[in-house]
Order: sequence, then structure tokens, then C-alpha cells
Amino acid sequence: AQKITQTQPGMFVQEKEAVTLDCTYDTSDQSYGLFWYKQPSSGEMIFLIYQGSYDEQNATEGRYSLNFQKARKSANLVISASQLGDSAMYFCAMSAPLNRDDKIIFGKGTRLHILP
Amino acid sequence: GAVVSQHPSRVICKSGTSVKIECRSLDFQATTMFWYRQFPKQSLMLMATSNEGSKATYEQGVEKDKFLINHASLTLSTLTVTSAHPEDSSFYICSAARDSSYEQYFGPGTRLTVT
Repeated sequence: AQKITQTQPGMFVQEKEAVTLDCTYDTSDQSYGLFWYKQPSSGEMIFLIYQGSYDEQNATEGRYSLNFQKARKSANLVISASQLGDSAMYFCAMSAPLNRDDKIIFGKGTRLHILP
Repeated sequence: GAVVSQHPSRVICKSGTSVKIECRSLDFQATTMFWYRQFPKQSLMLMATSNEGSKATYEQGVEKDKFLINHASLTLSTLTVTSAHPEDSSFYICSAARDSSYEQYFGPGTRLTVT
């Protein structure tokens, strides 16, 4: 069975510091995708970044990067130079196999608070 | 591009009534749409997968007779909460996936309150 684990229920970080949000996953599939989503207090889900299981390089999108360590089944999100607007709930998610028709499984989320 | 809308954004209804929530992909065709439910301060839980022109696939524990899903076209899926009760109060979010993309695009969500 697939499982996503986010062990940090909440984090407080000073503005402009880098942030690492932890995510580990469990799957027996060889082909899968990993996602990070941001959910502000308004509720909408915002796609941040994607990493395919066969991608050799870590995904990056602007200030977001995904530290993908396949052997450790880890997919941590790194936010560089945090901003006040980064305060939100962050969800790590996985789909498997690499097929858009397959459901996405979410972790429990990490609430990130950026302090001025 | 890839915008998904939901209507209504908020709805308050009385216990025993039915509520319909619409999910539309505005600028792309979505063969598959997903319906999620989120309780306060919790993660999203997938309720069902909706494919255009066929019956929805429900996750274990989700009552298909209570949560009716219709995916009538490539741009519209509806979720009807039948005979709603206070325990159905929740935040419902839909998402849609388009061809050749691994990404699901989420709607803004619908806050349902059953009194």
C-alpha cells in the first residue's frame, strides 16, 4: 500500500531563511510521481513542484526545489529565501503508477508559519 | 491556462436537503475529475474518481448513494450530497487532469455547512 508521511505538523521559520519540509513515502511501485501542494488559508490547492521517480535530477521551480532521495524514499521540499506569503499548509503527495488517471495520495500536511 | 472552477464556493443547507456542487474545467478538457473532502486541519481525502461518460469509482468507505457523482461532459462534473446531515459539513475540493499532463488542477473548493 502507498503511504505518505509528513512528520512535521507545524514549523515556524524566520523570514528570508530557507525552509525544508520533510516527506517520506512508501510504495512498491517502480514508477510513481511525487508532488508538493500549497494550501493557503483560503483553501485552494496550489501546485508547487513535481518529481518523477525516474527523473535523475532534483526538480526545481523558482524558489522551490525537491530534494529527492530515492533510496531513502524521501522527497523533501526546500523553499529558499522564505517570504511572509509562504505561510500556509503544505502537502506532499504521490501518484502511482505515472498515470494521470491514478489517484493522488496526500500526506497529513505541514503548517508553515513565516515570522517577520 | 488550466483553470478549474467550483460552484458554489459556500453553501449552507438544512439537514435532510440535497446539495449539488459543480466542478468545471474552464480552458481544457478533463477526461478524469477527482473529488476530495477535507475536514478542518486535516489532509485531503479522495472520495471518488469521475470519468466522463462512465460511473464514478468510489473509495472505500464512501457511500455512493449519498455522494452522487455525474461527469456528463469533458468539462463538468457534479457532486450531489443527498439528504445532507451535519456530519457532512466539510470542505469539498475537485481536481481535473488533462491529457499529457501529470498534474491535477484543483478547484477553489466548496465549504458546505449543514445545519
